[in-house]
Amino acid sequence: DQQVKQNSPSLSVQEGRISILNCDYTNSMFDYFLWYKKYPAEGPTFLISISSIKDKNEDGRFTVFLNKSAKHLSLHIVPSQPGDSAVYFCAASGGTLGGATNKLIFGTGTLLAVQP
Amino acid sequence: NAGVMQNPRHLVRRRGQEARLRCSPMKGHSHVYWYRQLPEEGLKFMVYLQKENIIDESGMPKERFSAEFPKEGPSILRIQQVVRGDSAAYFCASSVFGATGELFFGEGSRLTVL
Repeated sequence: DQQVKQNSPSLSVQEGRISILNCDYTNSMFDYFLWYKKYPAEGPTFLISISSIKDKNEDGRFTVFLNKSAKHLSLHIVPSQPGDSAVYFCAASGGTLGGATNKLIFGTGTLLAVQP
Repeated sequence: NAGVMQNPRHLVRRRGQEARLRCSPMKGHSHVYWYRQLPEEGLKFMVYLQKENIIDESGMPKERFSAEFPKEGPSILRIQQVVRGDSAAYFCASSVFGATGELFFGEGSRLTVL
């Protein structure tokens, strides 16, 4: 039962162009969504998040969009840089009864390759 | 200003042996989470602990796996009688409860079962 899905295992973009990474979820109780970035042999690092009361959050080159009716969120990176090449994980929380545990449910990740 | 510390970073075990993975959360964090990443897969939740309490172990295999977070010392993920399928990267994360839901991850412990 994959509650958070990233259907694109990989994405390749040219340096300077926009990268768009997509994520879908099935549990309507999720109320907080995060994106993590992971380099090989390292732990995931937090990138950006969005609460379900918003539909957009921006931080520098990174913007996350949330469409609650479609249960879909996306991460936009613009302009993309070679250093952005990594695996990006979408994660969600809040789907538990009796209050949040901060437990995150992760998607399977999308490998982004930014070509110089 | 140490982050989440995991050790060992790499562990090799033969089938049937025991593996112990340790995690020290960030200073001030009293909540620890363990995740497993199998090859070519995403991060799967295993267990969530507070000091001396297991809060949610819904992702832990029913047998051979156990976790603890004692009053003093690091959190331990213990795998008894390891099998080849246990080979994975095990990540620990910590948080401050009541925060925005962000977890801070360690660099992971990579277990290889021969």
